[in-house]
Amino acid sequence: QQQVRQSPQSLTVWEGETAILNCSYENSAFDYFPWYQQFPGEGPALLISILSVSNKKEDGRFTIFFNKREKKLSLHIADSQPGDSATYFCAASAKGAGAKLTFGGGTRLTVRP
Amino acid sequence: EAAVTQSPRNKVAVTGGKVTLSCNQTNNHNNMYWYRQDTGHGLRLIHYSYGAGSTEKGDIPDGYKASRPSQENFSLILELATPSQTSVYFCASGGGLGGNQDTQYFGPGTRLLVL
Repeated sequence: QQQVRQSPQSLTVWEGETAILNCSYENSAFDYFPWYQQFPGEGPALLISILSVSNKKEDGRFTIFFNKREKKLSLHIADSQPGDSATYFCAASAKGAGAKLTFGGGTRLTVRP
Repeated sequence: EAAVTQSPRNKVAVTGGKVTLSCNQTNNHNNMYWYRQDTGHGLRLIHYSYGAGSTEKGDIPDGYKASRPSQENFSLILELATPSQTSVYFCASGGGLGGNQDTQYFGPGTRLLVL
């Protein structure tokens, strides 16, 4: 079973809109949640991350909102740009599990100009 | 220059054949990982390593072996390739100093087709 789930599988927004990508998890031991961004033909790259002790993390136009009680988080991309078109992966890891990451299935974002 | 490189970038193999995918990193990272990426499944961890000489099973190790002969190199070996192993394979490295908050740096991927 997938321990990290993402929705929607694909999302299209217009340039300037806010894109909202959702993620949920099952393992209560997860305490670190990085988001990776992947462009076609490339490997994923870390975009932004959050620890479970926080409920919000901002980095420029990218914001993670985290709800520990509901085991949900979301990535908000404000003022979306065509260059943000990529696949976004939510991942999770647990303290004591080394550096193993569990990835969600990804959301493919398309930003139309 | 790219710090994590993979070879080959594309590979066509026959069922039952042996396939070796290679990964090299110049980050001097302790940890290295092999993932496969399939539509709808995201990235799934096959094997990983904490340093030269060590290999650990990931979440989907069946049908795969790994070898870490040096800090820089980590190989994934398919002894008897099957069509179900057709996928895109990614190698990654991580410093190993950040515990479970370690950032992973990915290579460009190897596209494998098993006929």
